[in-house]
Amino acid sequence: KNQVEQSPQSLIILEGKNCTLQCNYTVSPFSNLRWYKQDTGRGPVSLTIMTFSENTKSNGRYTATLDADTKQSSLHITASQLSDSASYICVVSATTLVKTIFGAGTRLFVKA
Amino acid sequence: EAGVTQSPTHLIKTRGQQATLRCSPISGHTSVYWYQQALGLGLQFLLWYDEGEERNRGNFPPRFSGRQFPNYSSELNVNALELEDSALYLCASSHYNEQFFGPGTRLTVL
Repeated sequence: KNQVEQSPQSLIILEGKNCTLQCNYTVSPFSNLRWYKQDTGRGPVSLTIMTFSENTKSNGRYTATLDADTKQSSLHITASQLSDSASYICVVSATTLVKTIFGAGTRLFVKA
Repeated sequence: EAGVTQSPTHLIKTRGQQATLRCSPISGHTSVYWYQQALGLGLQFLLWYDEGEERNRGNFPPRFSGRQFPNYSSELNVNALELEDSALYLCASSHYNEQFFGPGTRLTVL
């Protein structure tokens, strides 16, 4: 069964601290993995997209890693800011976009 | 480059009514996807249109329907609205393997 599981479900950190969000998947055959940031009540915004051959990709303070062997990905946020408070969604696609599975998301709260 | 646009931003209906939501994809994108996101829950795939044809639909009843126009814009229609249809409806258009999302339409059913 194709699944995407994210952990933790929610996370509270202090401004300026780093954090790492996890995504485990069983989607097959794997095509790509994407991380999105979704502010409350808004549409998701793409942070990174990685294919099978890529194991790390950065977008400013966001760095995503991918281990295709263990089917795990992480999103590392460096020097968190209050504006990082949002849901972070891991999305894994099979070889066609017909089979695209969304994780339930990690809700991140950054406190001053 | 303009992003994906959706209208209206908010929509309030009563049970039994019909709702029509609209989406304009990014110029050059031919695929449009519709998702439902109930409060506090993840995105649930609704419909996929490509080149004017419905390519796939999620596990939703037939009262959820839509269409894609020759200019690749799309409509989502929800008939016989139920209270549990209250959600954020997101549209996305795709280019190769990446989907770009619109801001969503917040549908409230009273």
